[in-house]
Amino acid sequence: DGGITQSPKYLFRKEGQNVTLSCEQNLNHDAMYWYRQDPGQGLRLIYYSQIVNDFQKGDIAEGYSVSREKKESFPLTVTSAQKNPTAFYLCASSIGTGGPSHNEQFFGPGTRLTVL
Amino acid sequence: AQSVTQLDSQVPVFEEAPVELRCNYSSSVSVYLFWYVQYPNQGLQLLLKYLSGSTLVKGINGFEAEFNKSQTSFHLRKPSVHISDTAEYFCAVRRTGTASKLTFGTGTRLQVTL
Repeated sequence: DGGITQSPKYLFRKEGQNVTLSCEQNLNHDAMYWYRQDPGQGLRLIYYSQIVNDFQKGDIAEGYSVSREKKESFPLTVTSAQKNPTAFYLCASSIGTGGPSHNEQFFGPGTRLTVL
Repeated sequence: AQSVTQLDSQVPVFEEAPVELRCNYSSSVSVYLFWYVQYPNQGLQLLLKYLSGSTLVKGINGFEAEFNKSQTSFHLRKPSVHISDTAEYFCAVRRTGTASKLTFGTGTRLQVTL
C-alpha cells in the first residue's frame, strides 16, 4: 500500500532542544517537501528536495535543517534556533519536475510538535 | 510571485444546502490551480485541479470548481453538502513550468450542521 508516513504523530520537546521529524515515502517520488501549518496562516514551505542529495530553502527555512540521503526519506530537524516551533508539520512528495501532473503533491498525515 | 486569497475564513452551512468557497489568485504568469481538503489532525487530500482545457473541473466527493481567467478566480462549489464535508479547504496555485512551488491560501473552514 503506497503512501507517505510521518512519525511520530505527536511530539513534545523542551525549549532549547533539537528534534527530528521523520518522513518516509514508498511512492518512488523524486521530489519531497516540508510545510509548516499554523492556525489561520495556511501552509508555508520550509524546505524542498527535487532529487537525492539536493535540497533548497523554502519561504521559512530559518531554524530548520533537512537531509536527503535516500530517495524515500526526507527528515526535518527543528533546531533550538527556531523561535516558535510549536506547529503542525506536513510532509509531501511528488513524482518530480516533469509535466504538470508530475508536480501533484501527496501529503502525509502530519506531526504535531509542541514545545513545552 | 503568485499569491492566493481565500476571503472567507469560515463558512457555516446547513446539510443539503449548496455551498461556494471562494478563491482568488494573483500571478503575472500562467498558473495551475488546486483545491485540497484537510480533515482534523490529518494531511491534505487533493479534491481537484485545473491544469488546462475545460474551465469547469470536477473532483471527488461531488465538488467542482470553475477557472475564470478574467476574474482570476477558482471558486469551489457543491450543490448539496453533507455533515461529512465539514473540514478545512485550501486553494493553491503553482506557476506553470517545471520545479515550481505551490502557494497556499489561508484556508476556509466549512462547518456543516443539521
